[in-house]
Amino acid sequence: DGGITQSPKYLFRKEGQNVTLSCEQNLNHDAMYWYRQDPGQGLRLIYYSQIVNDFQKGDIAEGYSVSREKKESFPLTVTSAQKNPTAFYLCASSMTSGVPHEQYFGPGTRLTVT
Amino acid sequence: SQQGEEDPQALSIQEGENATMNCSYKTSINNLQWYRQNSGRGLVHLILIRSNEREKHSGRLRVTLDTSKKSSSLLITASRAADTASYFCATDRNAGNMLTFGGGTRLMVKP
Repeated sequence: DGGITQSPKYLFRKEGQNVTLSCEQNLNHDAMYWYRQDPGQGLRLIYYSQIVNDFQKGDIAEGYSVSREKKESFPLTVTSAQKNPTAFYLCASSMTSGVPHEQYFGPGTRLTVT
Repeated sequence: SQQGEEDPQALSIQEGENATMNCSYKTSINNLQWYRQNSGRGLVHLILIRSNEREKHSGRLRVTLDTSKKSSSLLITASRAADTASYFCATDRNAGNMLTFGGGTRLMVKP
C-alpha cells in the first residue's frame, strides 16, 4: 500500500517540552511539506523540502524545525519557542517534475499542549 | 498568507441538490486545485485545472476557472450525504510545487 503515514494520531505534551511529529512516505516523492491547520481554518505552510538534505521555511516556520536525512522521512519538531503549538498538523508529499502535481496528504497529528 | 478565499464559508443542502463553492484569489496562477477534507482527516485531491483551461469535469464534479476575474468554482451535482466535508481551493506559487490554501467551505449534505 503506497501512501503517507503520520504518527501518532493524537499527541499530548506539557508546555515547555519539545515534541517531534513523524511523517513517512513510500510514494518515492522528492518533495515533502508540513502544514498547520487551526479549527475552521485553511492550511498554512510551515516547512517544505524539495530534495534530501535540503529544506526551506514556509510562512510560519518560527518555533518549528525539520530534517530531511532520508527521502522517505520528514519529521517536524515543535519546539518550546512555538507560542501556540496546539493545532492539527498535516504532512504532504508530491512529485517535482516540470508539470504541476497534486499533493498527497497523511492523516494528520492532533497536538495538544497544556 | 491566504491567497484563496472560499465562499460561502458554510453550506447546508439536501441530498440530491447541487452544491456550488467559489474561490477567489489575488495574484496570477499557473494552476488551481481543489481538495476535500473529511472531519479530522487529511486532505484528498479532487481536481487540478490549469490557467489555460476554463472548465474541467471529474464524475459529479465540475470546476470552472476564470482567470480574468481571478476566480474558480466547484460544482458537485446530485449531492450525497457522503459529500459532507470541507472543500479547499489551492493555488500554486511561483516556487516549486508549493500551494497556498484558502480557508475552505464546510459543506453539509442532509439525507
